[in-house]
Amino acid sequence: DTAVSQTPKYLVTQMGNDKSIKCEQNLGHDTMYWYKQDSKKFLKIMFSYNNKELIINETVPNRFSPKSPDKAHLNLHINSLELGDSAVYFCASSSDRVGQPQHFGDGTRLSIL
Amino acid sequence: QKEVEQNSGPLSVPEGAIASLNCTYSDRGSQSFFWYRQYSGKSPELIMFIYSNGDKEDGRFTAQLNKASQYVSLLIRDSQPSDSATYLCAAQRGNTGFQKLVFGTGTRLLVSP
Repeated sequence: DTAVSQTPKYLVTQMGNDKSIKCEQNLGHDTMYWYKQDSKKFLKIMFSYNNKELIINETVPNRFSPKSPDKAHLNLHINSLELGDSAVYFCASSSDRVGQPQHFGDGTRLSIL
Repeated sequence: QKEVEQNSGPLSVPEGAIASLNCTYSDRGSQSFFWYRQYSGKSPELIMFIYSNGDKEDGRFTAQLNKASQYVSLLIRDSQPSDSATYLCAAQRGNTGFQKLVFGTGTRLLVSP
């Protein structure tokens, strides 16, 4: 059983297009996250949602819009894709208790042509 | 200064040796610390977490935390070629429902047969 699943696994698209990535977790966690891992493998948080409410927004361009329809789902929509958006995007979830680890999905590799 | 610093490596050790991975953090408000292993093209996988000063052992892995020195380490005993991966150190701060995980850039470990 996959704990944190995200789709699609790969996304290849042209500059200027709009795309979405979906994430679902079946761990019963209250908090979900989006991370971006760039070509240098640096993993940086983008957004955090707790019980469907936006908690962390790390000065991400407003072309990126997360949406959490319920606490088990967190989607990421990206408008007007740019070359610099090419990266691997990871979804993660955790319990909201202090000290609990985050569990990651398999990642979505986004390539902008 | 980065919030979480790691030597990027590669750290090369022979099979059967002890691998020692180190990490320092700058925010004294950080409460919990995590070690993730990431194989190339895969998602981060939790190895261990620690939040009290001292050592925590789990099988071949020992995490060490020294809050006074703001230093976290991971020891891998009897290193195996399958341990070859990038090891990410992460520091967590915040309160219930509002926690942030900050990652280092990772240390690449190579275990030679």
